Amino acid sequence: SQQGEEDPQALSIQEGENATMNCSYKTSINNLQWYRQNSGRGLVHLILIRSNEREKHSGRLRVTLDTSKKSSSLLITASRAADTASYFCATMDSSYKLIFGSGTRLLVRP
Amino acid sequence: EAQVTQNPRYLITVTGKKLTVTCSQNMNHEYMSWYRQDPGLGLRQIYYSMNVEVTDKGDVPEGYKVSRKEKRNFPLILESPSPNQTSLYFCASSTSGTPSYGYTFGSGTRLTVV
Repeated sequence: SQQGEEDPQALSIQEGENATMNCSYKTSINNLQWYRQNSGRGLVHLILIRSNEREKHSGRLRVTLDTSKKSSSLLITASRAADTASYFCATMDSSYKLIFGSGTRLLVRP
Repeated sequence: EAQVTQNPRYLITVTGKKLTVTCSQNMNHEYMSWYRQDPGLGLRQIYYSMNVEVTDKGDVPEGYKVSRKEKRNFPLILESPSPNQTSLYFCASSTSGTPSYGYTFGSGTRLTVV
């Protein structure tokens, strides 16, 4: 079962611009993770934020988490054509099960 | 290199012909899981295993079996495949006992059942 929705479903930006994707979820969580998937390939883990954290950075990635609103956002700064992919948020429950959102398709135009 | 290896990468089979998709990880991870990915339905968990000889059903286990006889291997078995099992399958692994790490995914197996 999908945990929630990601917004937008698709995003097209120019290289160099920032990309922001949002994720909402429904139940209490242990942590929230973001993954990238290039077309038809395996998912790659990008970043994990624990339920007691509000913001986390990794290179050009910035993730925020608002547990009161049950939402998270992923910001990719200074985007590159190589960032073109689908991005998924996933929440982990107390049994370590990952439940994925529906994903955002990001297109970065050169 | 730390990785999860799935085989085969692509498979076309006929209805009812038993098949096995293999999954192996070299990271000594306790936790392993199988997902299927379908357009409009996203990623759904089929089965998972917390450790050797411990397996449990995920959200969509019907028509699938798994086994975990060794820590590194977690094969997915389709005893009698049907066309509705046509999908993209992913195996994933992680350390368990701590919620601090993400999953490592295999490259996927694209299965077509005709």
